[in-house]
Amino acid sequence: DTAVSQTPKYLVTQMGNDKSIKCEQNLGHDTMYWYKQDSKKFLKIMFSYNNKELIINETVPNRFSPKSPDKAHLNLHINSLELGDSAVYFCASSQDLARTETQYFGPGTRLLVL
Amino acid sequence: AQSVSQHNHHVILSEAASLELGCNYSYGGTVNLFWYVQYPGQHLQLLLKYFSGDPLVKGIKGFEAEFIKSKFSFNLRKPSVQWSDTAEYFCAPDPPPRGFNKFYFGSGTKLNVKP
Repeated sequence: DTAVSQTPKYLVTQMGNDKSIKCEQNLGHDTMYWYKQDSKKFLKIMFSYNNKELIINETVPNRFSPKSPDKAHLNLHINSLELGDSAVYFCASSQDLARTETQYFGPGTRLLVL
Repeated sequence: AQSVSQHNHHVILSEAASLELGCNYSYGGTVNLFWYVQYPGQHLQLLLKYFSGDPLVKGIKGFEAEFIKSKFSFNLRKPSVQWSDTAEYFCAPDPPPRGFNKFYFGSGTKLNVKP
C-alpha cells in the first residue's frame, strides 16, 4: 500500500539522452512536488502542482518539464541530460497547498548521467 | 542569502545518550518548521512540526524540538537515543509567502547509534 511511488528507482543513462521519471500517489492529495537532492544532500524544490496546475517553478532549466495528467500523477521529463543532472529526485504530495500540510515523500529515483 | 543550516553532518552516539541536532534558518516572517527523518532504505517521513503556540513541540518516537525565535533555531532533541534512531534527519523550514507549501531542506544530519 505504497502512498507515493516513483519509477524507476535507479536510472543510469548517457549524456544527451531524454528520460522520464514517474510519480503516483494514492492518498487523494491535490498537490504534488518534485525535489532534487544534490551530492551535498540538500533537498531543493523544483516544481509544485496543485490540481494539475503548475504552482511553483524554482528556476529549473527548461530541459526539465513536469507533466500532470491527473491529480494522482506528476511525471518529470528531462531532455538532453547533463552530468550535473545526476542526483536523487524525490516526488512528494500533500493534501493541498496550505503551509501547514505535511508532505509525504516517495522513495526517490537515483539518476546517474554518464 | 536565505538558507537553512544543520551544524552536524554526522553524529555518532551510544544507546541511551542524549541527542541534540542543531538547525538554524535565516528566513524572515512567520516560518513553519518541520523535521523529517529518513531511516535506512525508507522514505522521508515527518518527525514533528511547529506552526504556532507552545515553542516546545513533541513528535513521534520521543523526539521533541524547541523553536527559539530570537535565535532563528529549531533544534531537535531526544533524551535517550536507541539503536533504531539510526537515520538521517532533515530540518525543513517552510517560509512565507503564504499559500505555498514550499520546503527548504537542510543538508541533513546522519545519526549513527551504536548498540
